[in-house]
Amino acid sequence: AAGVIQSPRHLIKEKRETATLKCYPIPRHDTVYWYQQGPGQDPQFLISFYEKMQSDKGSIPDRFSAQQFSDYHSELNMSSLELGDSALYFCASSSYRDPNYGYTFGSGTRLTVV
Amino acid sequence: GESVGLHLPTLSVQEGDNSIINCAYSNSASDYFIWYKQESGKGPQFIIDIRSNMDKRQGQRVTVLLNKTVKHLSLQIAATQPGDSAVYFCAEKGSPSGNTGKLIFGQGTTLQVKP
Repeated sequence: AAGVIQSPRHLIKEKRETATLKCYPIPRHDTVYWYQQGPGQDPQFLISFYEKMQSDKGSIPDRFSAQQFSDYHSELNMSSLELGDSALYFCASSSYRDPNYGYTFGSGTRLTVV
Repeated sequence: GESVGLHLPTLSVQEGDNSIINCAYSNSASDYFIWYKQESGKGPQFIIDIRSNMDKRQGQRVTVLLNKTVKHLSLQIAATQPGDSAVYFCAEKGSPSGNTGKLIFGQGTTLQVKP
């Protein structure tokens, strides 16, 4: 079965650079979520999109932005990167029509800021 | 082995023993809960879920118990195997209504299985 695809798997950037993370949800899933997980931490919700509209916002820095495109894939754009942005970034998708929601996580993008 | 109290960062058990991982959730209006297993460098992997109108649900070697009175969730793993070694997170669906909503994760518990 198709899973949530994230790219790239690993990314190394310097401070003050920008990064773009991509997420391709499970086909026919209508909602995408982004989470940030620091070392030894639990995943923290950043932002979500339902049917291409922002549906919820968590602890996402103003330096970050995200959007969901017409094909339902989503991109997380991160600017003016700081050392503290180094983390695993997960995308998850779900479906409003699935009675069990079908939350599924991708394998994540490991961002290292040096 | 069992993690006591609200949360214990690490639980160490002998292979073949039963494990109990506990979790306290925050929102009494949460209607859906999931247990995830996360191996190093990988994404959270679904183990089992439970809705708020249930107090127990069983899967293959796993059982989730929900106590809404004290907002407590537990994951029981029977006959723990070395492959069960990972970090386990509970998560609650944050929106009290609707079919989609962000998941709020609890602090993870690292399960170490000794051969």
